[in-house]
Amino acid sequence: GDSVTQMEGPVTLSEEAFLTINCTYTATGYPSLFWYVQYPGEGLQLLLKATKADDKGSNKGFEATYRKETTSFHLEKGSVQVSDSAVYFCALSLWYTGGGNKLTFGTGTQLKVEL
Amino acid sequence: DVKVTQSSRYLVKRTGEKVFLECVQDMDHENMFWYRQDPGLGLRLIYFSYDVKMKEKGDIPEGYSVSREKKERFSLILESASTNQTSMYLCASSLTGGNQPQHFGDGTRLSIL
Repeated sequence: GDSVTQMEGPVTLSEEAFLTINCTYTATGYPSLFWYVQYPGEGLQLLLKATKADDKGSNKGFEATYRKETTSFHLEKGSVQVSDSAVYFCALSLWYTGGGNKLTFGTGTQLKVEL
Repeated sequence: DVKVTQSSRYLVKRTGEKVFLECVQDMDHENMFWYRQDPGLGLRLIYFSYDVKMKEKGDIPEGYSVSREKKERFSLILESASTNQTSMYLCASSLTGGNQPQHFGDGTRLSIL
């Protein structure tokens, strides 16, 4: 079945450090890929997305490139801030013949950024 | 901006009670979803709906049911609450299409005593 694998956390970084959170996927079709972020006590917010191979999604300094050959969608940021502390979820979406789209999530990676 | 509103942020119920969690979206989305979120397990899909009065089982539907009488509202029902249903419940909605993101509410933290 379809699945998403993320690196386990927590990941602890100093402010201004470089961030990479690895994400790989397995899918029977040709998925769209997403990164969501969850701040403490809140629901998930869409961070960025990519819908086809070699697409790069970007938002708020975060980037991820859809790599079909390695089935990966790694999240990167050049300089993290304390406010980036949150849980990050990688997800894939496939068209469902019944008419909907289902997301398959990774287990999430907690990021802690310290001064 | 899309707004997905869940009726309660925190809820405490007793074992055996019938529990209703309500979700409303304001963007005329066709699809609505209910997930539960547990530490170490990520998000797991309980039920989803791609049209009014339509519902499909997700990965963990046992012990739950849903209702979608109007397009904007999707209710999750715990028929007889049990302690293993203590969790964070998240509602989401989306337009139709594999590249459409889902938009989430803030969640309901449900405790079953």
